[in-house]
Amino acid sequence: AQSVTQPDIHITVSEGASLELRCNYSYGATPYLFWYVQSPGQGLQLLLKYFSGDTLVQGIKGFEAEFKRSQSSFNLRKPSVHWSDAAEYFCAVGAGDDKIIFGKGTRLHILP
Amino acid sequence: DGGITQSPKYLFRKEGQNVTLSCEQNLNHDAMYWYRQDPGQGLRLIYYSQIVNDFQKGDIAEGYSVSREKKESFPLTVTSAQKNPTAFYLCASSQTSGLDTQYFGPGTRLTVL
Repeated sequence: AQSVTQPDIHITVSEGASLELRCNYSYGATPYLFWYVQSPGQGLQLLLKYFSGDTLVQGIKGFEAEFKRSQSSFNLRKPSVHWSDAAEYFCAVGAGDDKIIFGKGTRLHILP
Repeated sequence: DGGITQSPKYLFRKEGQNVTLSCEQNLNHDAMYWYRQDPGQGLRLIYYSQIVNDFQKGDIAEGYSVSREKKESFPLTVTSAQKNPTAFYLCASSQTSGLDTQYFGPGTRLTVL
């Protein structure tokens, strides 16, 4: 069965600094991988997804993620964060049963 | 505007009472999902439906029930059998499969007193 781990519960970065949120997955074949973002008290919004092809995926709001099969990782990056990026970020993995499994999330705090 | 609506945003109930959470979508999506979110736990799948009049249990279905009589609607009932119902509940929909982009509603925060 597939699973996903987000090792960092909280991350704090200064506004304008670069960001990397870690995600590791467990699945035998090439998984479907997703990053979603959740603002406080709201639903989730898809940032980007990877199914196949180019391992560097561009998403909305200036985010990108890189699929690294050898490391079973799909880390989310942004070169320069804005105060509005403060939110909770969820990595998710999907397989052939049409469901996706969410990680426990990483809460991003931005220092002014 | 197309999207998913959940009502109410906040819901309070006494222990032992059943309560139904509403979820409606006008995206013409076939698939709909209910997730439960607890602090530090991520999202856990309760039930999902890929077609009208059919639904499947997710990972934590005990104490919950659903129906899918219309494509647009997927209400969730939290029964008195659910031992710890206080949580944030999120409804989502996708075109056909969970592997498609899922679109989420704003959520309902249920508090059982």
